[in-house]
Amino acid sequence: GENVEQHPSTLSVQEGDSAVIKCTYSDSASNYFPWYKQELGKRPQLIIDIRSNVGEKKDQRIAVTLNKTAKHFSLHITETQPEDSAVYFCAPEGYGQNFVFGPGTRLSVLP
Amino acid sequence: EAQVTQNPRYLITVTGKKLTVTCSQNMNHEYMSWYRQDPGLGLRQIYYSMNVEVTDKGDVPEGYKVSRKEKRNFPLILESPSPNQTSLYFCASMRSQRGETQYFGPGTRLLVL
Repeated sequence: GENVEQHPSTLSVQEGDSAVIKCTYSDSASNYFPWYKQELGKRPQLIIDIRSNVGEKKDQRIAVTLNKTAKHFSLHITETQPEDSAVYFCAPEGYGQNFVFGPGTRLSVLP
Repeated sequence: EAQVTQNPRYLITVTGKKLTVTCSQNMNHEYMSWYRQDPGLGLRQIYYSMNVEVTDKGDVPEGYKVSRKEKRNFPLILESPSPNQTSLYFCASMRSQRGETQYFGPGTRLLVL
């Protein structure tokens, strides 16, 4: 099955700085790469995704980049704000019908 | 409003007392699944269903059962709960089984004494 890792596991940044979270996966057949955000006490929600035929996708302050050769994709958040504080999960979609989420990265944006 | 609902939201029970957590979606989604979330372990898939009457095991199915008799409902059954099943449970649905967003329910926090 898919082996998914995230780095770092925790990240603290000053408000206004950028944050980058990396997700590595093992299944070379993966072709859909979403990032979910989970605020404290809330459910996970999709914030951005990318498909294998695209190398980068941007939505305002967030972006995702994909390196299929190296089997990793990254979440980039620019001009971070306190409301970006949350746990972020990647969930690359492998060949099978089940889903494997990364262990999560806790981002803290310090005022 | 398109949504996934779960009930109950909070549950305290004792070892061995059978319980069911309901999950319902109103988006006509084919794919539904159950996850448990534990500190440091992220979201782990328990069971999933690709359509009515089609279910399969995820990564951590031991101690759980599911059924999918109707497209909108996907209950999670703990026949004989044990303390190691104390966790936060999420139901999720998606339109089809590939390349789609998963929509999560609000979560059910379960404590087994």
